[in-house]
Amino acid sequence: AQSVTQLGSHVSVSEGALVLLRCNYSSSVPPYLFWYVQYPNQGLQLLLKYTSAATLVKGINGFEAEFKKSETSFHLTKPSAHMSDAAEYFCAVSDLGGRSAGGTSYGKLTFGQGTILTVHP
Amino acid sequence: GAVVSQHPSWVICKSGTSVKIECRSLDFQATTMFWYRQFPKQSLMLMATSNEGSKATYEQGVEKDKFLINHASLTLSTLTVTSAHPEDSSFYICSARERGGLAGLGEQFFGPGTRLTVL
Repeated sequence: AQSVTQLGSHVSVSEGALVLLRCNYSSSVPPYLFWYVQYPNQGLQLLLKYTSAATLVKGINGFEAEFKKSETSFHLTKPSAHMSDAAEYFCAVSDLGGRSAGGTSYGKLTFGQGTILTVHP
Repeated sequence: GAVVSQHPSWVICKSGTSVKIECRSLDFQATTMFWYRQFPKQSLMLMATSNEGSKATYEQGVEKDKFLINHASLTLSTLTVTSAHPEDSSFYICSARERGGLAGLGEQFFGPGTRLTVL
């Protein structure tokens, strides 16, 4: 079973400030973790993913996330917010990591509740 | 690469009618496609997983006779909302996993979504 919890449904920052969006996961198999961004009335765009390689993952648009197994966290950060970063962000966990244990998986994603990021000028 | 399209992007229909939404992988073969629905200000909820040439697997609580899914080819999956009612109004998003390649890394490519409004 898998679940994702995003702490904070809304985050507001000033332009140029640090962005920190929190994500904690629960998974019965080694997790594959993802961050997606969604702009209004659009689909999801992948920002970055963790698939059991380096624990610090760099993505597009200056975002990065660190996988911390001891804390079951995968928080998303960006050093300096830009107005164009305003959107909704979703953390997700996949069950594909269970394949290494001989399980079957279609790679279903379980999403967190989403965090709306607002950037003030 | 890895582009997924949906058609239509929005649709308005009368209660009781059926609506078909198409999801296409434009530049790759998708052995598995997923259908999600998203209510306003909420997260994506997986409705079903479809594999090319086999029956879709529905998530608990999703009526398979109401939400018909067909994955007839490696580039096309369709979702038909039968006898639509106002409570079916939602944003429907599909995604596709590439055959081979990034499939092992779990990456899904998402379509732009279809806004369904049932009057």
